[in-house]
Amino acid sequence: AQSVTQLGSHVSVSEGALVLLRCNYSSSVPPYLFWYVQYPNQGLQLLLKYTTGATLVKGINGFEAEFKKSETSFHLTKPSAHMSDAAEYFCAVSPTNTGNQFYFGTGTSLTVIP
Amino acid sequence: DAGITQSPRHKVTETGTPVTLRCHQTENHRYMYWYRQDPGHGLRLIHYSYGVKDTDKGEVSDGYSVSRSKTEDFLLTLESATSSQTSVYFCAISESSRSPHYGYTFGSGTRLTVV
Repeated sequence: AQSVTQLGSHVSVSEGALVLLRCNYSSSVPPYLFWYVQYPNQGLQLLLKYTTGATLVKGINGFEAEFKKSETSFHLTKPSAHMSDAAEYFCAVSPTNTGNQFYFGTGTSLTVIP
Repeated sequence: DAGITQSPRHKVTETGTPVTLRCHQTENHRYMYWYRQDPGHGLRLIHYSYGVKDTDKGEVSDGYSVSRSKTEDFLLTLESATSSQTSVYFCAISESSRSPHYGYTFGSGTRLTVV
């Protein structure tokens, strides 16, 4: 069975500081990996995804994530936080060999302190 | 936008009444999903569809039913609403027209309150 763990349900950073949101998955076969962002009272929006190829993927708004197979991780980073980055972030995995659905983490709420 | 709309956006209903939420897509994609979002639980899958009249249960399907009589519409019905079904409901479609694995596009959500 798939599972996704996001360490830290709430993360606070100062404006201009590094953003690091952690995501680990459990899967016998490397899945496809995704990060979604949800701004208040909105639906989820795709930030970035890893399917194949380069393990460092770049997304919108300056975010990037690196797939590390040995660590079963897909952590999200941004070098310098902006106030507009305050939102809920969800990591998700999609098995590549079976099933019709994604598995989401429970989310990390990012607060940016001015 | 990717052509997915949910209706209604907000609804208040009484305990014991049936409620139907609608998800409409203009993308002609095969896979559609209903999730609920609750604090501390993230997104939990209720039901999904992999084609017209083809549906399957997710992890929190009790008390919910779905129907998909045409590609563009996926309906979620709360058969007899309970307060525990107060939540925000999201519909999603697969980003690929044929595969569920390459990402989702989400609707804007329906905020349902059961009183």
